[in-house]
Amino acid sequence: DGGITQSPKYLFRKEGQNVTLSCEQNLNHDAMYWYRQDPGQGLRLIYYSQIVNDFQKGDIAEGYSVSREKKESFPLTVTSAQKNPTAFYLCASSPQGLAGGPGNEQFFGPGTRLTVL
Amino acid sequence: AQTVTQSQPEMSVQEAETVTLSCTYDTSENNYYLFWYKQPPSRQMILVIRQEAYKQQNATENRFSVNFQKAAKSFSLKISDSQLGDTAMYFCAFMKHDKLSQGNLIFGKGTKLSVKP
Repeated sequence: DGGITQSPKYLFRKEGQNVTLSCEQNLNHDAMYWYRQDPGQGLRLIYYSQIVNDFQKGDIAEGYSVSREKKESFPLTVTSAQKNPTAFYLCASSPQGLAGGPGNEQFFGPGTRLTVL
Repeated sequence: AQTVTQSQPEMSVQEAETVTLSCTYDTSENNYYLFWYKQPPSRQMILVIRQEAYKQQNATENRFSVNFQKAAKSFSLKISDSQLGDTAMYFCAFMKHDKLSQGNLIFGKGTKLSVKP
């Protein structure tokens, strides 16, 4: 089945550690996105990528890094510089640029819950 | 900057009845998209319905329809014949229609809808 997978589902991190969240899609989508969701809040964009080897900062990129070496993969690293990393992280993809246009909606993965101990 | 406001943190409705969720937004843009996403307890984000700002006709998807009032910057979601499976968080989201903001969905804080048997 085509879709977006995120792993792990739950992740625990000690303070000062970097962790990497996985996002893989087999939908042949060009664009991929990372969002953060906090309790009582909507989603906020961390990073997005329209094509391989290119990505852009979103609204809350500080303390995060990404790579896009393959079309199907867009891993997110939460670094020790992120002061409040405990949150739910959602990855999304869309077929092509100018997301939001007809037939070009964003599809979301199941998410990763990150907790800092 | 664009903002999205959902003024109803929680709502409840009896099964088979109709409920309307409110959303207002603030923008100086003329071309944009509006979305309603559903997030059930599984936390998987699911697109419910989309509206292009240049279309006057309100979007409908089966039991879901919107009331899009562009001048008032209002975008409410009506759920008819509510079902137990409609129980979820509902997020209203905005996206500008230009290449510079590709992927930047602006979300409201959500409305928690409970459908009671």
